[in-house]
Amino acid sequence: DVQLLESGGNLVQPGGSLRLSCAASGFMFSGFAVSWVRQAPGRGLEWVSSISATGSSTYYADSVKGRFTISRDNSQNTLFLQMTSLRAEDTALYYCARDRVSWTFTGALKDWGQGTLVSVSS
Amino acid sequence: QSALTQPASVSGSPGQSITISCTGTSSDLGSSVYVSWYQHHPGKAPKLIIFDVSNRPSGISNRFSGSKSGNTASLTISGLQAEDEGDYFCTSYTTTTTPYVFGTGTKVTVL
Repeated sequence: DVQLLESGGNLVQPGGSLRLSCAASGFMFSGFAVSWVRQAPGRGLEWVSSISATGSSTYYADSVKGRFTISRDNSQNTLFLQMTSLRAEDTALYYCARDRVSWTFTGALKDWGQGTLVSVSS
Repeated sequence: QSALTQPASVSGSPGQSITISCTGTSSDLGSSVYVSWYQHHPGKAPKLIIFDVSNRPSGISNRFSGSKSGNTASLTISGLQAEDEGDYFCTSYTTTTTPYVFGTGTKVTVL
């Protein structure tokens, strides 16, 4: 079975940094584009960032551009999100999700993890 | 990069059909063939129920159907069941530097 397990969420002060991880199993991780999507308390889903299967292409929402960096280690089947200059509005449950089809972006996120909670507060 | 607009809530009785709209602009949803819909129950991972405007992943009930006209996409749930309660989100994907945009979300209530 496909599994995506996020970790690294924590309480952090404004201006601080955090690194999220997403461990993948049950599929050929290196063949799929993956994304981070977040949900702030009481709000809807918000796309954060995506990375191609090889890691050669990365994309960011305007709200996190310049502060967050997405990366992946295909040898370890792991996706990362390095978050810096964190703000209160970054408080959210962060999900990782993989694309529906291998080797391309289809816009459809087929499998999701359970999320990891990031709280930014002093 | 504004969110796509969905009604905050839609309700219906068991057995009825409901339709959720998702409205964007000509720059996002209007120019995309990659419109997806997700069902999200609190505390659970979101579930893909429609991709490429009107296609269902395997295992998804044919009670769920999708369509698009111009800048508006729609999700119809027919034969409404209690288990359909939850939040529903649309997304549009385009090949730009900010490829994904999500809808504001719709809470479905089965009366």
